[in-house]
Amino acid sequence: QKEVEQNSGPLSVPEGAIASLNCTYSDRVSQSFFWYRQYSGKSPELIMSIYSNGDKEDGRFTAQLNKASQYVSLLIRDSQPSDSATYLCAVNKRVGSARQLTFGSGTQLTVLP
Amino acid sequence: EAQVTQNPRYLITVTGKKLTVTCSQNMNHEYMSWYRQDPGLGLRQIYYSMNVEVTDKGDVPEGYKVSRKEKRNFPLILESPSPNQTSLYFCASHLGTGAHEQYFGPGTRLTVT
Repeated sequence: QKEVEQNSGPLSVPEGAIASLNCTYSDRVSQSFFWYRQYSGKSPELIMSIYSNGDKEDGRFTAQLNKASQYVSLLIRDSQPSDSATYLCAVNKRVGSARQLTFGSGTQLTVLP
Repeated sequence: EAQVTQNPRYLITVTGKKLTVTCSQNMNHEYMSWYRQDPGLGLRQIYYSMNVEVTDKGDVPEGYKVSRKEKRNFPLILESPSPNQTSLYFCASHLGTGAHEQYFGPGTRLTVT
């Protein structure tokens, strides 16, 4: 079982719709969860972080975390063509004295005009 | 400007010819990491460093070496590159304990023939 799993997609939504991206993780000691956006050929950029159960909203983005179900999601409201990218879920867990960030393989999102 | 730089950005080389990819950050970050990104596999950590002279293996360290002689620099060394090391490589840094956002370099696309 992969440590962090995402549906690879591609996921297509029409402009203005809500895009829902999902991620599950295997290690219950994981403490911090992140969503990165990566445009083709570019480096990942952090768009959301979440540390406790529930929802966290930032503009059009909402991250949701359920530690009991080991599930984290990202909702993008009013999707725009500029949101078309690959979205990477990342889980940060403590390994000894260090923190390791483990990434999922990403979900490719296309927002259709 | 706070940034992580990598050089070169693109490299085509032949099997067995030693190469070094440099990484430098100007944010005084303690933690630095190297990742490789391959289609369908997401970002996988190669090595990480918690501070000067402190390095440890990530998930896919075979065939790679690193060093951390200065806080700002974290070069990735391929002593004898092979075609299966053809990939997109990212260097990243973050402040350390309690700080979770990783800053990524622009990436180095390596092709080994």
